[in-house]
Amino acid sequence: EADIYQTPRYLVIGTGKKITLECSQTMGHDKMYWYQQDPGMELHLIHYSYGVNSTEKGDLSSESTVSRIRTEHFPLTLESARPSHTSQYLCASSISGTGATYSGNTIYFGEGSWLTVV
Amino acid sequence: KNQVEQSPQSLIILEGKNCTLQCNYTVSPFSNLRWYKQDTGRGPVSLTIMTFSENTKSNGRYTATLDADTKQSSLHITASQLSDSASYICVVSDRGSTLGRLYFGRGTQLTVWP
Repeated sequence: EADIYQTPRYLVIGTGKKITLECSQTMGHDKMYWYQQDPGMELHLIHYSYGVNSTEKGDLSSESTVSRIRTEHFPLTLESARPSHTSQYLCASSISGTGATYSGNTIYFGEGSWLTVV
Repeated sequence: KNQVEQSPQSLIILEGKNCTLQCNYTVSPFSNLRWYKQDTGRGPVSLTIMTFSENTKSNGRYTATLDADTKQSSLHITASQLSDSASYICVVSDRGSTLGRLYFGRGTQLTVWP
């Protein structure tokens, strides 16, 4: 069972509102990610972080911003929500691996946050 | 262009039957391949992860195979259960960056009927 938590799970907000999606993990993982997924479609990376004070934009352009002030916390903020932001947002984390026998790290996902902007 | 293609897009089987899901990829340089199970409205859960040198890995009733030469993988589910109904996602990682960029397939939607 993954110890990574997202809140809120479901949210309906009006256009122009500011929203922050919370993500926390208690596994001590250094890497954290935000993905966006529309129904029936693949996941798209929108932000990632290698560690505290490290954030990078992902493959999919997003108007959201992220911060990584603490290892366990990686919130995503939309300053002014629009209907085009309606989607599922998935937070994930993993730990960096080293050594000759390292075979890849498992990425753990949260349960997701379903955002609807009306 | 790095891509991950999964087939079939959807599949319906009867409880107790076996099934095989396919994943073809063009990601290079290859690092590893993962299969995830995603229940409706939930986050993906890892089933298996395989590197270049591994050609089969099992997790209970799930068995994944990898042919790195032909860039193909399959996920075989034995004696299916109703709880196996979910989307199964193939994810391939490259070695081109420190992040180990992930390329996601669109998933195969499996429905198990009683």
